[in-house]
Amino acid sequence: GAGVSQSPSNKVTEKGKDVELRCDPISGHTALYWYRQSLGQGLEFLIYFQGNSAPDKSGLPSDRFSAERTGGSVSTLTIQRTQQEDSAVYLCASSLDLLGPYEQYFGPGTRLTVT
Amino acid sequence: AQKVTQAQTEISVVEKEDVTLDCVYETRDTTYYLFWYKQPPSGELVFLIRRNSFDEQNEISGRYSWNFQKSTSSFNFTITASQVVDSAVYFCALPANQGGKLIFGQGTELSVKP
Repeated sequence: GAGVSQSPSNKVTEKGKDVELRCDPISGHTALYWYRQSLGQGLEFLIYFQGNSAPDKSGLPSDRFSAERTGGSVSTLTIQRTQQEDSAVYLCASSLDLLGPYEQYFGPGTRLTVT
Repeated sequence: AQKVTQAQTEISVVEKEDVTLDCVYETRDTTYYLFWYKQPPSGELVFLIRRNSFDEQNEISGRYSWNFQKSTSSFNFTITASQVVDSAVYFCALPANQGGKLIFGQGTELSVKP
């Protein structure tokens, strides 16, 4: 079946603009995660959605970052007023996560460059 | 707090050599899971293995094997007879809590030269 898909694959934006990154998880996966990968910080957790529960937003670096998951499927990560330090690869992952931490399957990522 | 340490930043080997990637973790949980992921140059993280802390038997999958030592909080990964296609960054990870986000180590970049 289809894996996790993300769009766009690359995004170049000017400092101060807003951006939206999209993630389409594997069908049937109840859990969805966003991570960020940058040279200096490695792989960082951002936010986690599990079914209808309130999302775990503990990894969001500032209030400029937000995410939503509509209908328990597609998720959008929004970064407002982008800064140069937001430049990174944003990775989305999904998993079954029913009775324990199942393996997470990752999408190809969106490479964000803020100029 | 959960923590994963991969002390080896970069490893370079020649094809057909065996190589072991180290992973040391910290957790207060009595039951936990551990994961290894591979990130080839294409960039997409590929799941390799999930291991439950109850199961301390070594796992072997083809040329890959994993040695889980609860007493030393280590979950090391060995590639036997390495190949150029094994060149990638390898990450060890531990869930922050049951069913939650993954805490990743800093990764080990493996370069296998022909």
